[in-house]
Amino acid sequence: QVQLVESGGGMVQPGRSLRLSCVGSVFPFSSYGLHWVRQAPGKGLEWVAIISYDGSNEYYADSVKGRFTISRDNSKNTLYLQMNSLRTDDTAVYYCAKAEGPYISYGMDVWGQGTTVTVSS
Amino acid sequence: QTVVTQEPSLTVSPGGTVTLTCSSNTGAVTSANSPNWFQQKPGQAPRALIYSTSNKHSWTPARFSGSLLGGKAALTLSGVQPEDEAEYYCLLHYGGARLWLFGGGTKLTVL
Repeated sequence: QVQLVESGGGMVQPGRSLRLSCVGSVFPFSSYGLHWVRQAPGKGLEWVAIISYDGSNEYYADSVKGRFTISRDNSKNTLYLQMNSLRTDDTAVYYCAKAEGPYISYGMDVWGQGTTVTVSS
Repeated sequence: QTVVTQEPSLTVSPGGTVTLTCSSNTGAVTSANSPNWFQQKPGQAPRALIYSTSNKHSWTPARFSGSLLGGKAALTLSGVQPEDEAEYYCLLHYGGARLWLFGGGTKLTVL
């Protein structure tokens, strides 16, 4: 079955950077858009970003625009989230999720198990 | 600022029927917002239930259905089971603003 595995989380100081990765398997990775979604401790889901199947289009939430960059390497079946200028309110579990189709107009169907990012001094 | 609103909590009896709604402060929710619904249980990743307003995934139980109701997206559970107790989130697409937004979630209690 479709699988997404996130990695790269950890503890980091405010103002520093971190890069998350998400490896997909058991589906044609290069044919689908991909989302990042986060969930702060005890809070609801927050959509973060989406990238189209070929990387040509991206959307970002206002809360991360200009600080986070979503990208993908289809040759490695890997999605990335480069997070710069991290703030304490970026602390969350970060999920990657496969879109239902190739474009940025598709929601998510399959989710990974998440990786935890803690921003603290 | 665009805000998506859900009922914070609802309670339903086993075997009963309940409807959760999802509204937008920008106006009526339509099929263009491509409403999606997700279920999340404590300690687990979310699971997709409904996409594009009313379409079910292959794993979605038949008792779950999606619709548009009075300018809102709606998720109806018919014949509720104890295992349906969970948090439910809607997701809307705002193509002009180039973003997706989740609602705040509805905590469904089966009692």
